[in-house]
Amino acid sequence: ELKVEQNPLFLSMQEGKNYTIYCNYSTTSDRLYWYRQDPGKSLESLFVLLSNGAVKQEGRLMASLDTKARLSTLHITAAVHDLSATYFCAVARGGGATNKLIFGTGTLLAVQP
Amino acid sequence: GAVVSQHPSRVICKSGTSVKIECRSLDFQATTMFWYRQFPKQSLMLMATSNEGSKATYEQGVEKDKFLINHASLTLSTLTVTSAHPEDSSFYICSPASPSGGRNEQFFGPGTRLTVL
Repeated sequence: ELKVEQNPLFLSMQEGKNYTIYCNYSTTSDRLYWYRQDPGKSLESLFVLLSNGAVKQEGRLMASLDTKARLSTLHITAAVHDLSATYFCAVARGGGATNKLIFGTGTLLAVQP
Repeated sequence: GAVVSQHPSRVICKSGTSVKIECRSLDFQATTMFWYRQFPKQSLMLMATSNEGSKATYEQGVEKDKFLINHASLTLSTLTVTSAHPEDSSFYICSPASPSGGRNEQFFGPGTRLTVL
C-alpha cells in the first residue's frame, strides 16, 4: 500500500527565511505532484516531477525528486507572507495513463512578517 | 490548465436527505473522473474512480451504495450522497483525467462543501 508522509506538518517562518518541506513515499512511483491549497479553496497545481533528479522552480519555490530515496523536497526561498497556505505532495498510484493520486498529510505554512 | 467546474459550491442539508454534486470538465473530454473528499484540517482522500460509461470503482472503506457516481458523458460526472448524515460533512473535489490529455498535470475542481445538519 502506497503511503505518503510529509514533514513538518506545521511550519511557522519569518519573512525572508528559507526552509524545506519533505515528502517521503513508500513504493515506487513515476510521478510526484506538489499542490497549494488556500483556506476554503481547492488545489492549485505547483509542480509535476517525472524523473529521478528532476528539479523545477517557480518564483520562490523549488521542487526536487529523488526516486531512489523516494523523497521529494519543496524548498522555499526568502519567504513572503503570500506563500502562507497548506502544501500537499501527491504520488501517483499504479500505472496507466491517468493519475490516481495518494496525498501526503499536508504542511501548513505560516509566514510571519 | 484544465477548466473544471463543480456545482453547487456549497450546500447545507438536513440529515437523511440526498445531495447531488455535479462536476463538469469544460475544455477536454474526461474519460476518467476521480472523486476525493477532504475532512477539516485533513488531507485529500480518494473515494472512487469512474470511467465514462462504466461503473465506478470505490476505495476501501467507501460505501458504494451511499456515494453514487454517474459518469454518463465525457464532460459530466455526478456524485450523489444518499441519506446524508453529519459525518458526511466534508469538502468534495473532483478531478478529471484523460489518457489522450497526457499523464502529467492533474487538475482539480473548485470543490463542494457539504454540511449535513
